[in-house]
Amino acid sequence: EIVLTQSPGTLSLSPGERATLSCRASQSVSSSSLAWYQQKPGQAPRLLIYGASSRATGIPDRFSGSGSGTDFTLTISRLEPEDFAVYYCQQYGSSPPYTFGQGTKLEIK
Amino acid sequence: EVQLVESGGGLVQPGRSLRLSCAASGFTFDDYAMHWVRQAPGKGLEWVSGISWNSGSIGYADSVKGRFTISRDNAKNSLDLQMNSLRAEDTALYYCAKDMSFAVTTGVFNYWGQGTLVTVSS
Repeated sequence: EIVLTQSPGTLSLSPGERATLSCRASQSVSSSSLAWYQQKPGQAPRLLIYGASSRATGIPDRFSGSGSGTDFTLTISRLEPEDFAVYYCQQYGSSPPYTFGQGTKLEIK
Repeated sequence: EVQLVESGGGLVQPGRSLRLSCAASGFTFDDYAMHWVRQAPGKGLEWVSGISWNSGSIGYADSVKGRFTISRDNAKNSLDLQMNSLRAEDTALYYCAKDMSFAVTTGVFNYWGQGTLVTVSS
């Protein structure tokens, strides 16, 4: 099973700043099969990025993903107030189980 | 508009059973794999189980293998999760999630329901 470790656990930034979230895998994620989700309190997760760098339908272009192998990054270029949430990475490259990272909480500074 | 509505959650004693259901609408249900993902209170996400569009391929997390059974009824646009021998650590919000790709199980979840809460306690 591939273990995903996200860092930092909590990121405190102000609106307008750039956010960089990291996701490291315990072994190489095949075919860059890495997704990112956003979850706000009391809501279901929302798919942001799949294939490490492809934005899901309707996701603003301030969200971007990069990386391959074992190191992946989610970047939010200019934080909007609605971006403060918990972010999860997920790998789906190998056959199940599909695994998630433990999450990064992005909070307002 | 894609809609996934879970039901069947509740309070159940350890060792007992519960059956969750997910009613799907707004898309061609039998074209897509479906999954259950859970979230313990205050914790992260855990994939529980997935089923291909034609039920030909099924997978489970090790934590539920042998206790949970996923199934689908394409005629009724519904997904089920039969949970047996429940444990306290199964306490979570259970989400139904749609796979992203047509006729292929990718493990990417592009639509989620709002979840149904399962509490296992005596």
